[in-house]
Amino acid sequence: GAVVSQHPSWVICKSGTSVKIECRSLDFQATTMFWYRQFPKQSLMLMATSNEGSKATYEQGVEKDKFLINHASLTLSTLTVTSAHPEDSSFYICSARSPIEQFFGPGTRLTVL
Amino acid sequence: AQSVTQLDSQVPVFEEAPVELRCNYSSSVSVYLFWYVQYPNQGLQLLLKYLSGSTLVKGINGFEAEFNKSQTSFHLRKPSVHISDTAEYFCAVSEEAAGNKLTFGGGTRVLVKP
Repeated sequence: GAVVSQHPSWVICKSGTSVKIECRSLDFQATTMFWYRQFPKQSLMLMATSNEGSKATYEQGVEKDKFLINHASLTLSTLTVTSAHPEDSSFYICSARSPIEQFFGPGTRLTVL
Repeated sequence: AQSVTQLDSQVPVFEEAPVELRCNYSSSVSVYLFWYVQYPNQGLQLLLKYLSGSTLVKGINGFEAEFNKSQTSFHLRKPSVHISDTAEYFCAVSEEAAGNKLTFGGGTRVLVKP
């Protein structure tokens, strides 16, 4: 299957700082990417749909000003957690969509102190 | 709106025994169905998918699943598990009309015991 990478794989930051997570599709172009959040021992919750060249579509309850998404090219989407707080600590996973299937990145573990 | 229910949150099973993970979904339209596996601190890996055609789908690592439209189920099975199958398994559904966004079940943790 297609390969999707995420960077960094883990990050620790202080409360109040911003953190950027990159998601790249390495061997195909993805006009649509998705960002998920996963708390320990829980399922994945869709945060937003990232569309190349246009604004992201956020799911209900997700603060768009806190979770900034930029899909600048057909192979790169970024998620910036602004003014991070300890409750933002989680495992963030992106996926890139081919016509029907989604290919998932390895995830980024964010810990906010 | 689509939803997915995984009836078992945990399934302990002995090595070389069979395992079945149950998945039921609700949707008003035709759907695509997926099973993913997640190992600790990793992303999701696709085990198998149902898009159309034969209702019995074979995937990687000896897993298979059967789509039952009348029962709106997509149960995952493996006839003989290995220690390495210990992981979290997620059932997911997508609708073309919903932009192929995936909705995940709550997950089933499989613990294979020697």
